[in-house]
Amino acid sequence: GAVVSQHPSRVICKSGTSVKIECRSLDFQATTMFWYRQFPKQSLMLMATSNEGSKATYEQGVEKDKFLINHASLTLSTLTVTSAHPEDSSFYICSAVRDIHISYEQYFGPGTRLTVT
Amino acid sequence: EDKVVQSPLSLVVHEGDTVTLNCSYEVTNFRSLLWYKQEKKAPTFLFMLTSSGIEKKSGRLSSILDKKELSSILNITATQTGDSAIYLCAGAGNNRKLIWGLGTSLAVNP
Repeated sequence: GAVVSQHPSRVICKSGTSVKIECRSLDFQATTMFWYRQFPKQSLMLMATSNEGSKATYEQGVEKDKFLINHASLTLSTLTVTSAHPEDSSFYICSAVRDIHISYEQYFGPGTRLTVT
Repeated sequence: EDKVVQSPLSLVVHEGDTVTLNCSYEVTNFRSLLWYKQEKKAPTFLFMLTSSGIEKKSGRLSSILDKKELSSILNITATQTGDSAIYLCAGAGNNRKLIWGLGTSLAVNP
């Protein structure tokens, strides 16, 4: 159990367009999902914490109007990169937690490689 | 400021060797320490350690937490080429977020 999927796995878009990335917990309900960004040879950088039915909590320095997060159900969270620019090119990874009050164990999706041209 | 530091940053060994990866943490209201393995894609969960001195084991991998020293080690015995990956350590406080280390890049040569 504890499988998390992400779609798409890879996307190339033109500068100025918006891209939506989906994160789904396939075999469990996730009260909390996290969105990370990872640059080559660097560790995971937390962007925001997404709780079902409430607004996401963004980390300092992350623009909430640029990175729109919607946690519509207990199995789905979406990240929309609006008006993407080349500097937004990165590896975006989501993770899901079954019940944050019980365990901190995060299950990761396979990631989405975004390239903005 | 909370932080997690891993050492070494990179390591090259031969198949069959035993390796020890280190992780030290400074996390406010520390609750747990987690180890992940990252190959080409996203991290996969290895261990979560909450209690000091209790070893967790999975096959050739084992890990233990020392709360007095604010550290943890991950041991891999009889390494195989498939163990080549980046091993990430993360500390969890009670604010629900994980504080990540930079990782140890392990290369196992045949």
